[in-house]
Amino acid sequence: ETGVTQSPTHLIKTRGQQVTLRCSSQSGHNTVSWYQQALGQGPQFIFQYYREEENGRGNFPPRFSGLQFPNYSSELNVNALELDDSALYLCASSPAGGHEKLFFGSGTQLSVL
Amino acid sequence: EDQVTQSPEALRLQEGESSSLNCSYTVSGLRGLFWYRQDPGKGPEFLFTLYSAGEEKEKERLKATLTKKESFLHITAPKPEDSATYLCAVQPNQAGTALIFGKGTTLSVSS
Repeated sequence: ETGVTQSPTHLIKTRGQQVTLRCSSQSGHNTVSWYQQALGQGPQFIFQYYREEENGRGNFPPRFSGLQFPNYSSELNVNALELDDSALYLCASSPAGGHEKLFFGSGTQLSVL
Repeated sequence: EDQVTQSPEALRLQEGESSSLNCSYTVSGLRGLFWYRQDPGKGPEFLFTLYSAGEEKEKERLKATLTKKESFLHITAPKPEDSATYLCAVQPNQAGTALIFGKGTTLSVSS
């Protein structure tokens, strides 16, 4: 069974740039959720994708957007990067549109300079 | 406002010294309460789900309990490999609502 994989593991960007983060969900899972974890904080929900449609969104501005592909992998795009976007971005997969028993990847550490 | 507060922020134990971590929550109806373990540089790893007051779950040296306002994660005779950040999260009762995480308790167990 393949777990959740995320790429890249680390990324350094400059304020104002755009970034795309990628996630492959666990085998058999059709739902992907994205979370942002700032240093010393718990993860904060960004949005969830279920069967290629957005299925709920947290309190993040529209410059955070995403996609889910037919193979259930997903992308998180962030435009016009700000310094406060520096964080660990976590992808989690789950079966059938739920939020229970999430399986997390190891995350992408994004630094915005 | 739905909220999760974990205490203490950090806890240092000697190997074999049992203790408890606290997670207090305010939520408009609880669908479930979740405990995760997070190692440095890794994503959270699922430990337990609790659904109703009085429920208990156990896994090796860990036991999670739930009341109407808080949950405890009891660690019995911890070992150095139990060192990690333990995250508590709640899911409010509205259908499709995402998890709300606390800031976590960082546990260090020394031999």
